[in-house]
Amino acid sequence: SQQGEEDPQALSIQEGENATMNCSYKTSINNLQWYRQNSGRGLVHLILIRSNEREKHSGRLRVTLDTSKKSSSLLITASRAADTASYFCATLAEGGSYIPTFGRGTSLIVHP
Amino acid sequence: NAGVTQTPKFQVLKTGQSMTLQCAQDMNHNSMYWYRQDPGMGLRLIYYSASEGTTDKGEVPNGYNVSRLNKREFSLRLESAAPSQTSVYFCASSGSGTGREKLFFGSGTQLSVL
Repeated sequence: SQQGEEDPQALSIQEGENATMNCSYKTSINNLQWYRQNSGRGLVHLILIRSNEREKHSGRLRVTLDTSKKSSSLLITASRAADTASYFCATLAEGGSYIPTFGRGTSLIVHP
Repeated sequence: NAGVTQTPKFQVLKTGQSMTLQCAQDMNHNSMYWYRQDPGMGLRLIYYSASEGTTDKGEVPNGYNVSRLNKREFSLRLESAAPSQTSVYFCASSGSGTGREKLFFGSGTQLSVL
């Protein structure tokens, strides 16, 4: 069963704009991760944020985590056409197994 | 550095046929996983192996078997394929300690069962 649910399901923007996608989850977590999947390819790990962290940056990516609202957001600044992909959040439940549970993903299209 | 390699990339089966999906990783990872991805469903865990010699069921194990042949290889077998098993299958691996949290994925096998 999906722990994380991404919103929106699909997002279409112009190159240079910022893209924001959200992930909500149901139970307490140890960490939350974001993965990217290009069409026809496997998932690639982008960033991991732990439950005691509120914000994390990696290049043009900014992830926030609000454990009180059980939600996270992924911001991609100054989007490029190459950012076109599906983005998945994955949560690792607190006290549970070490295996992350994936959401259904947000499909991002960046128009050149 | 190949990472996680899956074969085949594409396969078409008839209902009732059997096949084995192969997966190998060259990162000396302890843990390996098989997921299936269906439209609108995200990734669902079929089976996983925490270490060589151990395997455990995930969320959707029915109709599948797995073998952790050695530390590098983790295969997924469909004994009698059904149309409901039409999907894209991904193998993944992860390391140990905090490295276990980050999964590395293969490029997938697109399977159609007619």
